[in-house]
Amino acid sequence: NAGVTQTPKFQVLKTGQSMTLQCAQDMNHEYMSWYRQDPGMGLRLIHYSVGAGITDQGEVPNGYNVSRSTTEDFPLRLLSAAPSQTSVYFCASSYRTGAGGNTIYFGEGSWLTVV
Amino acid sequence: GEDVEQSLFLSVREGDSSVINCTYTDSSSTYLYWYKQEPGAGLQLLTYIFSNMDMKQDQRLTVLLNKKDKHLSLRIADTQTGDSAIYFCAEGGGATNKLIFGTGTLLAVQP
Repeated sequence: NAGVTQTPKFQVLKTGQSMTLQCAQDMNHEYMSWYRQDPGMGLRLIHYSVGAGITDQGEVPNGYNVSRSTTEDFPLRLLSAAPSQTSVYFCASSYRTGAGGNTIYFGEGSWLTVV
Repeated sequence: GEDVEQSLFLSVREGDSSVINCTYTDSSSTYLYWYKQEPGAGLQLLTYIFSNMDMKQDQRLTVLLNKKDKHLSLRIADTQTGDSAIYFCAEGGGATNKLIFGTGTLLAVQP
């Protein structure tokens, strides 16, 4: 998981609180994305970005905001945390084109609990 | 919509071969991937196969792709206890490089 850094690794929130999960990559990747992982459901795409200033919704975007002001950073904001957002969150990045299947690199995950 | 399915659990003995299967629905996927997730860790890319290939071998790993049946498999030869993990297949590629993941297969290797 070289190059993709997520913080914090663990967080407990109360219902209604807001917070931001940080993601940074130093590989000059155009693509960045956020996934959540829930038991029995694999990983589901929340939001993604194909470059600075461009973001789009994934499969499960409700309750989350993103922005991409720089190539390196792609923060995920929880506007008003709900227990249903208890999950493990993964940030990922990749080059736009090229050989190697546009290899997608994942961060180590952020464990979020909403009580 | 796009869907990727895997069996949830596989148990093998150390030294045996493991075969993890995956089916997908999006025939336009450019690449198909296998990721490994160890307990409490992130996802590690194991291997991938381009959609116009039938097979790819990488040391102990063999990936087979049947495009007609939309079936992907990962064979791990001489399975070791360190191979115990959850294995995810994913389809993706294309202009946005979004990945659609399967639910994951928990591989348990018995000594």
